[in-house]
Amino acid sequence: DQQVKQNSPSLSVQEGRISILNCDYTNSMFDYFLWYKKYPAEGPTFLISISSIKDKNEDGRFTVFLNKSAKHLSLHIVPSQPGDSAVYFCAATLNSGNTPLVFGKGTRLSVIA
Amino acid sequence: ETGVTQSPTHLIKTRGQQVTLRCSSQSGHNTVSWYQQALGQGPQFIFQYYREEENGRGNFPPRFSGLQFPNYSSELNVNALELDDSALYLCASSLGVDNEQFFGPGTRLTVL
Repeated sequence: DQQVKQNSPSLSVQEGRISILNCDYTNSMFDYFLWYKKYPAEGPTFLISISSIKDKNEDGRFTVFLNKSAKHLSLHIVPSQPGDSAVYFCAATLNSGNTPLVFGKGTRLSVIA
Repeated sequence: ETGVTQSPTHLIKTRGQQVTLRCSSQSGHNTVSWYQQALGQGPQFIFQYYREEENGRGNFPPRFSGLQFPNYSSELNVNALELDDSALYLCASSLGVDNEQFFGPGTRLTVL
């Protein structure tokens, strides 16, 4: 039973354009959401997060949007760069903490120069 | 500052064997969490250790066990290996149970 779902296994975007990665969740008790980026042969690295009391959080080129009523969040990357090519995992936690993380299956982003 | 390291990088075992995976946490971190990432899936929480005590466990059978040492390094032990245990095992350390987790590169276990 997947509580965090990333329904797009892959996404290709041209360099300079916007990348939009989507994530849905089923557990309404989740109150903290995170995005991680993973390169091959490396562990996931934290990218950006959002608390359930907010609907947007921005950090440089990265913005996360949260729609609690739809149980949906998205990560926007603008402008996309070739170095952004990686697997992106959406994760959620309870009690506003960082553990345990409940991950989606990931979306592989390819940014084409 | 040294990041999270894991050993070995890869290993191959046969069904029924036992395996020990090791994790050295980032300097100053007292909490270690272990995750299993099967092929095509996201990481799944196995358990967490805080100051040498188990502090939460995911939906994994008892043949998955762990230890945390006084220097906060950690081991994951899996007994009676099954084919489905083939996965990337990730270790993450943090300063406290609710703070940002820093992941190691993982150990890829193949069970034949």
